[in-house]
Amino acid sequence: ETGVTQSPTHLIKTRGQQVTLRCSSQSGHNTVSWYQQALGQGPQFIFQYYREEENGRGNFPPRFSGLQFPNYSSELNVNALELDDSALYLCASSTRDRHNSPLHFGNGTRLTVT
Amino acid sequence: AQTVTQSQPEMSVQEAETVTLSCTYDTSESDYYLFWYKQPPSRQMILVIRQEAYKQQNATENRFSVNFQKAAKSFSLKISDSQLGDAAMYFCAYRSASDSNYQLIWGAGTKLIIKP
Repeated sequence: ETGVTQSPTHLIKTRGQQVTLRCSSQSGHNTVSWYQQALGQGPQFIFQYYREEENGRGNFPPRFSGLQFPNYSSELNVNALELDDSALYLCASSTRDRHNSPLHFGNGTRLTVT
Repeated sequence: AQTVTQSQPEMSVQEAETVTLSCTYDTSESDYYLFWYKQPPSRQMILVIRQEAYKQQNATENRFSVNFQKAAKSFSLKISDSQLGDAAMYFCAYRSASDSNYQLIWGAGTKLIIKP
C-alpha cells in the first residue's frame, strides 16, 4: 500500500511569486485535504477535494486554489505569495465513503517566502 | 465555532514511566470525533488514537489510552511505559460528525520529551 507522498520537500520563493505543491493520495483514497501549519502552531484547514471538485474551504483567500485529478492526486497553488505564507503545507487523504475514516498525511512541503 | 485547547506547550517524562497530555475542546454539537496525532521530526502526522463521541468507553491502542469526559469536554491522552520513540509533538484534533468536508480543528500541540 502506497502512502501519501508530497513534492517538493522544501521550497524557497520570493514574495509575489506563485507556487505549486503536489500530493499523491494513498491508494484506495478518493479525498484530499490540504492544511497549512505555521511554525509552532497546529494545522489550519485550507480546503478539501472530492471527485475533482472543491468540497469545503477554510478561512483562506482565493489566491489559494487547488486541483484534484482523476487519479485522486492533487495540487495546491498559491498566487502572489506573502511572507506569512511561509509554513509547512500538509496534504492528507481519506476515504469519503467511511464517515469516521481518519486522515493519512504526507511528510509535508516546507515553503519559505523571502 | 469549535475550538481545541492544549494547555501544556511541553511535557517531559522519564523513559518507561507514564505521562498524560491534556486537551479540552469547545463545541455545541453532540456527535463528533476526537483524535490524537503525533508529529515526529519527520513532519508526518501519524494517527495515535481516535474516539467517537457517542461511545462511552475510552479508546485504547496498546500503550496509548484516552480519558474522554464528554460533559467536561476533556480528552486527555495517557502514554504508558514511555519509549524514546514517543518523543514528538502531539496534537489533539476535533471533527464534527455533521461536517461534510471532514475538516479537522487542531490544538496548538504539546512537545513531549522522553528522558533516558
